[in-house]
Amino acid sequence: GDSVTQMQGQVTLSEDDFLFINCTYSTTWYPTLFWYVQYPGEGPQLLLKVTTANNKGISRGFEATYDKRTTSFHLQKASVQESDSAVYYCVLGSGTGNTRKLIFGLGTTLQVQP
Amino acid sequence: EAAVTQSPRSKVAVTGGKVTLSCHQTNNHDYMYWYRQDTGHGLRLIHYSYVADSTEKGDIPDGYKASRPSQENFSLILELASLSQTAVYFCASSDWGGGDTQYFGPGTRLLVL
Repeated sequence: GDSVTQMQGQVTLSEDDFLFINCTYSTTWYPTLFWYVQYPGEGPQLLLKVTTANNKGISRGFEATYDKRTTSFHLQKASVQESDSAVYYCVLGSGTGNTRKLIFGLGTTLQVQP
Repeated sequence: EAAVTQSPRSKVAVTGGKVTLSCHQTNNHDYMYWYRQDTGHGLRLIHYSYVADSTEKGDIPDGYKASRPSQENFSLILELASLSQTAVYFCASSDWGGGDTQYFGPGTRLLVL
């Protein structure tokens, strides 16, 4: 079945460091891929979305590119700030018709130290 | 204005008791979802609905029921709460299924003793 893999459970960086979070996916259909972010005490919220039509998403300084050859959808940011500390989920849109749903990765907790 | 609200925000329940978690959305969305969040498991889908008066099983429906009496409201019911159902529960809504953005509520923290 469809799946998403995030291997990094926790990432600790200093301000202005480069961020890279791995994500790979598996699906038999054309993927719609998302990165959601969850700040402490809140529900997840969309960070960016990518489809096969646009291949790349950019939002709030974050960037993710969908690579069909390697089935990867990594999240990057050139220079992180303390306010970026949160949990980041790689998410795959799965299924067809009324059974379509989101499949979440396990999440990567980002801690940015001042 | 918060478009997806949940009540209660936290609850302590006793094992074997009945628990009802409520969700209300003002997005005018057709789809609504219930997830649970546990450390080490991310978010897992319990039940969802794409039309009022109808619900569908998600990936982990055992021990849970759902009710969608109107487009705006979606409840999650634990008839016989168990220790293993201690978790944070999130409701979400979307305009259509899996390829669309889901908007989440703030969550309900449930502790079953």
